[in-house]
Amino acid sequence: DAGVTQSPTHLIKTRGQQVTLRCSPKSGHDTVSWYQQALGQGPQFIFQYYEEEERQRGNFPDRFSGHQFPNYSSELNVNALLLGDSALYLCASSSLWGTPSHEQFFGPGTRLTVL
Amino acid sequence: LAKTTQPISMDSYEGQEVNITCSHNNIATNDYITWYQQFPSQGPRFIIQGYKTKVTNEVASLFIPADRKSSTLSLPRVSLSDTAVYYCLVGYGQNFVFGPGTRLSVLP
Repeated sequence: DAGVTQSPTHLIKTRGQQVTLRCSPKSGHDTVSWYQQALGQGPQFIFQYYEEEERQRGNFPDRFSGHQFPNYSSELNVNALLLGDSALYLCASSSLWGTPSHEQFFGPGTRLTVL
Repeated sequence: LAKTTQPISMDSYEGQEVNITCSHNNIATNDYITWYQQFPSQGPRFIIQGYKTKVTNEVASLFIPADRKSSTLSLPRVSLSDTAVYYCLVGYGQNFVFGPGTRLSVLP
């Protein structure tokens, strides 16, 4: 049973470019959340998708957008990249959206470097 | 403004019990508290989750007082392989807030 998978593993972009990161949730999960983790800091919640809609969002600008597909996989898009967007981007999947309990399973992350 | 705080670092010796406390003053009524372990270059790994009082599983215990403004992760008899960063995660309404993480170093 595959866990959460993310691609690519590493990515290097330049300022102003756009990037798309991908995530496949754990089998049986229907909810995907994205987090940004800067070096030496805790993960920060970006947004969460359920039934192909953004359900919850953290304090991130509109440059950060996402999508969820019918097979529950998800993409994170970041436009007009800034140096400060360099981070580890984590995807987490869970089930039972709308319930308080949210045991999330994390993928290994995508390391994005913006030059 | 929702805020979650933890000690930045802790040291322990093999075989000792380690307790890590997280403060979350603005936790919402129906939010859970979840603890994760993270090794370098890996995603966080679920340890334990609770809502109130005490929860125990095969690797840890979680103590939550009645006011739910804090929680304590207890790791019994730590080993060298428990050296990692430990995060508490609290749901705040429409947002999920990780603590800054506690770097635990287990010494032989």
